Amino acid sequence: GQSLEQPSEVTAVEGAIVQINCTYQTSGFYGLSWYQQHDGGAPTFLSYNALDGLEETGRFSSFLSRSDSYGYLLLQELQMKDSASYFCAVRSSSGYSTLTFGKGTMLLVSP
Amino acid sequence: NAGVTQTPKFRVLKTGQSMTLLCAQDMNHEYMYWYRQDPGMGLRLIHYSVGEGTTAKGEVPDGYNVSRLKKQNFLLGLESAAPSQTSVYFCASNNGVSPLHFGNGTRLTVT
Repeated sequence: GQSLEQPSEVTAVEGAIVQINCTYQTSGFYGLSWYQQHDGGAPTFLSYNALDGLEETGRFSSFLSRSDSYGYLLLQELQMKDSASYFCAVRSSSGYSTLTFGKGTMLLVSP
Repeated sequence: NAGVTQTPKFRVLKTGQSMTLLCAQDMNHEYMYWYRQDPGMGLRLIHYSVGEGTTAKGEVPDGYNVSRLKKQNFLLGLESAAPSQTSVYFCASNNGVSPLHFGNGTRLTVT
């Protein structure tokens, strides 16, 4: 099976940089994804890492180290609208492509 | 551009009642999924489908049934609702390895 660990809550101030870590255990690895979910809303896709290294998309970056079974989401120039829950997810090792999600990290951005 | 549409948005059931949650997608996606989300538990996969006429069990399938009679629709049924099934239910779709597109959720309360 798969398991993922991420902090339950992170706080930061506007304009700061925050890093949300994710460690995973899986019998087969096909990539680490990140999703954002605002309170009461639907999860939306942020980024995907299949290979080691950093992927940058605007203010958001995601990093993966397959040897350490570890990844992180980096949010720069934080804005109030970044207050949300962030989920890491790994793709299953089964024949079909299902995602297993972590329990989520709630990011609270204060003025 | 509707994407993934879930109906109803809210529902209250009494223990033992049955209901069907409807999910429709207009992106011609092959894969469809039903997740449930509970506080502090992240998103857990109930059932999924890899194509019209197929269904498969996810992590927490007990107490639920699904059907995929048409490619664009994925139905989730509760035959005899229990308070433990109080949750927010999300439908999602993709083409296997592409990012998941989620609906806006159905908030179900079982009393």
